[in-house]
Amino acid sequence: AQSVSQHNHHVILSEAASLELGCNYSYGGTVNLFWYVQYPGQHLQLLLKYFSGDPLVKGIKGFEAEFIKSKFSFNLRKPSVQWSDTAEYFCAVNPLNTDKLIFGTGTRLQVFP
Amino acid sequence: DTAVSQTPKYLVTQMGNDKSIKCEQNLGHDTMYWYKQDSKKFLKIMFSYNNKELIINETVPNRFSPKSPDKAHLNLHINSLELGDSAVYFCASSQVPGGGQPQHFGDGTRLSIL
Repeated sequence: AQSVSQHNHHVILSEAASLELGCNYSYGGTVNLFWYVQYPGQHLQLLLKYFSGDPLVKGIKGFEAEFIKSKFSFNLRKPSVQWSDTAEYFCAVNPLNTDKLIFGTGTRLQVFP
Repeated sequence: DTAVSQTPKYLVTQMGNDKSIKCEQNLGHDTMYWYKQDSKKFLKIMFSYNNKELIINETVPNRFSPKSPDKAHLNLHINSLELGDSAVYFCASSQVPGGGQPQHFGDGTRLSIL
């Protein structure tokens, strides 16, 4: 079955620390990839997406993600986090030519000043 | 203006009751979705409608019945509520069908069953 794994369930960082959140998926074919963020008490918002082309994609608020096809991974990075980045982060995968968006279980990020 | 709006935001009710959650989007999108987010934050698709037609129906008890009166609205009716239905339900929309389209989410409806 297709699945998305986010191994970091809870990450705690100080401001200005660097961030990397892991995302791996199990599907052998072509995929579209997404990272969504859910700030406390708010709805999910799109951070960035990868469809094709340059495997390093840049999103909003200084986030970026790198698609490594051989590793079935799409890790999220930010060089220097801020307190306002405290949120739940979800990786999502759409196997091409399907209507489904499969979400990972989410990673809770807490940033302390 | 809110792009995807859900009502109510909170819903507390007793087991066995029937309740509805409404969703409206003003983005002009053709496709709408319902997701369920459980207590562990796991988000799973329940239904998807494109232009009032059902296109995704995951393994969901038939107590859950979506209704789309027009492409801007997708309501969720739940019969005979059970404790396990407690969750946050998110409505979303996208311009066209296909999970590859960025989806716009509502603020969620937190359903608590007593």
